[in-house]
Amino acid sequence: DTAVSQTPKYLVTQMGNDKSIKCEQNLGHDTMYWYKQDSKKFLKIMFSYNNKELIINETVPNRFSPKSPDKAHLNLHINSLELGDSAVYFCASSPELRVGELFFGEGSRLTVL
Amino acid sequence: DQQVKQNSPSLSVQEGRISILNCDYTNSMFDYFLWYKKYPAEGPTFLISISSIKDKNEDGRFTVFLNKSAKHLSLHIVPSQPGDSAVYFCAASAGNQFYFGTGTSLTVIP
Repeated sequence: DTAVSQTPKYLVTQMGNDKSIKCEQNLGHDTMYWYKQDSKKFLKIMFSYNNKELIINETVPNRFSPKSPDKAHLNLHINSLELGDSAVYFCASSPELRVGELFFGEGSRLTVL
Repeated sequence: DQQVKQNSPSLSVQEGRISILNCDYTNSMFDYFLWYKKYPAEGPTFLISISSIKDKNEDGRFTVFLNKSAKHLSLHIVPSQPGDSAVYFCAASAGNQFYFGTGTSLTVIP
């Protein structure tokens, strides 16, 4: 059983479209994250939720909107996709908001044409 | 502004030898450091960590060293095995955020 699962794993879409990436964790963790790995392989945090509450919101365009219906799910919705949004998006969870290791999903590769 | 840096994008080591991966950071507030291993088409997986109150942590073939004065940490893998070939990310934590380096691709040659 996959601890942190993301869907879809691959997504190819046109500029201007709206798309969502879903994430679910079955570890019972309270905290979930979205990370973006760009073409330079730089893994950067976008959002963090703790018990469905937004904790971290880095400088991310407001076209990106995370939604956490419950603490086991954190979905990422992206409006009006741009070429620069092409990246691999990783969902992660951790047992505590502070310290501890992150458990990552397999990543979702988004390609915007 | 990149607070965690891995200046070597790649490293090749013979099987059985030691692999040393390096990481530098700039923020003196970081108090927890981690190494992650990533295979292609998979998410990073936790490998080993160290708190800032220590200067060494060992787990089997993996040892992490922390030099706070130099703001430098390193991961030693001894002996290196072909299955260790992967991308290794170091990460540092301050408060509730993790900052990652850009990774070092390790190739262990049989």
